[in-house]
Parts: sequence; C-alpha cells; structure tokens
Amino acid sequence: TQLLEQSPQFLSIQEGENLTVYCNSSSVFSSLQWYRQEPGEGPVLLVTVVTGGEVKKLKRLTFQFGDARKDSSLHITAAQTGDTGLYLCAGAYRGGTSYGKLTFGQGTILTVHP
Amino acid sequence: GAVVSQHPSRVICKSGTSVKIECRSLDFQATTMFWYRQFPKQSLMLMATSNEGSKATYEQGVEKDKFLINHASLTLSTLTVTSAHPEDSSFYICSAYQPGGISSPLHFGNGTRLTVT
Repeated sequence: TQLLEQSPQFLSIQEGENLTVYCNSSSVFSSLQWYRQEPGEGPVLLVTVVTGGEVKKLKRLTFQFGDARKDSSLHITAAQTGDTGLYLCAGAYRGGTSYGKLTFGQGTILTVHP
Repeated sequence: GAVVSQHPSRVICKSGTSVKIECRSLDFQATTMFWYRQFPKQSLMLMATSNEGSKATYEQGVEKDKFLINHASLTLSTLTVTSAHPEDSSFYICSAYQPGGISSPLHFGNGTRLTVT
C-alpha cells in the first residue's frame, strides 16, 4: 500500500506571507501531481512532476520533486486571498493493472487572510 | 482540453432509495475511471476503479453491493448508491484516465453532493 503523508493539514496565514506544503512517502512514485480544490468542485490539476529533482514554477507557486521521487513540496510566495483552498498531492504508482490510480495525501486546507 | 462531466451536481434523496451518478468523458475514451468519496475538509478516498467491459475493482472496506459501478461504454461510468442511508451523504467525485503516458493527468468531474434524508 502506497501512502502519502501531507503536512500541514491546516495552514492559516496573512496575505503576503510565504508557505510550504510537504508530501512524503516511503514509496517511489512514477509521477506526482498537485491539485487545488474549491468547495463543491472537483480538484483542478496544478502540476505534474515526473523526474527526480525536478522543479516547476507556476507564477508564485514552486513545485519540487525529490531526487528519489518519494517526496514533493509546494511553495507559495507572497500568498494572496485567492490562494485559499484545499491543496492535494497525489502520487501515481505505476504497477498493477490500473494506470492513473492515484494515492492522495490528506490534503492541506490553506486560508489566507487579508 | 479534455473534460469530464459528472451528473447530477447535487441530489437529495430519501433514506432507502437508490441514486445513480453519471460520469462521462466528453472528448476522449476512458477505459478506466475512478470513483472517490470525500468528506468535508478531507482528502479524496478512492472507492473503486471502473474498467470498461469488466467488473469494477473495489477498495478495501467499500461495499460493492451498496455502491454499484457500471462502465458500459468507453465514455460513461455510473455509480449507483443503493438503499441509501444518511451516512452515505457525502461528496462523490469521478475521474477518467486519458491514456498517453505516465505524465498524462487524470481528469476530474465536478463532483456530486449527495444528501440522504
């Protein structure tokens, strides 16, 4: 069983602050994805990282995949109130018979106060 | 881009009745779809993997006779919550896998809010 430990579970910060969310696993993932979800809606893909050590940037968001492909982080610079939401990491395990089967972390509820 | 349509978005039903939720891939064929359940302020919990033309694979602890999954075509999977009870009230989300490489993302529906009264 592949498990993803995501932390912190809750994050409440002021606008303009920086933050980092972590995902860790004892398993190696073929790829790892980060999603953002608004209440009452499905998750929206932010990024997919595939290569160990990979770093991707999406405006103020920086995503990193660990060298061993067992961990990842999401860093947000100068958070804005619009960043508020549930952030989910999800690892794709390339095994068995189901491609696309994701293991989700517990999620991080981010609240950015004005 | 690829889109997954989930219907209905909200449903309220009485205890003991059955509810069907549809998940359609609109512009691609999805041999595999996934069904998740999500409680408030929590992550997605995988319920089952739906494979076109074969029986669904259920995760441990998920009652297959209660949550019936049918994947009759390459663009449609349905989840039927049978004899629903208030504890089945939840947010149900489907996703569809678009083949094309390990970095191909899953495409998620917008979820169905089920309330059982």
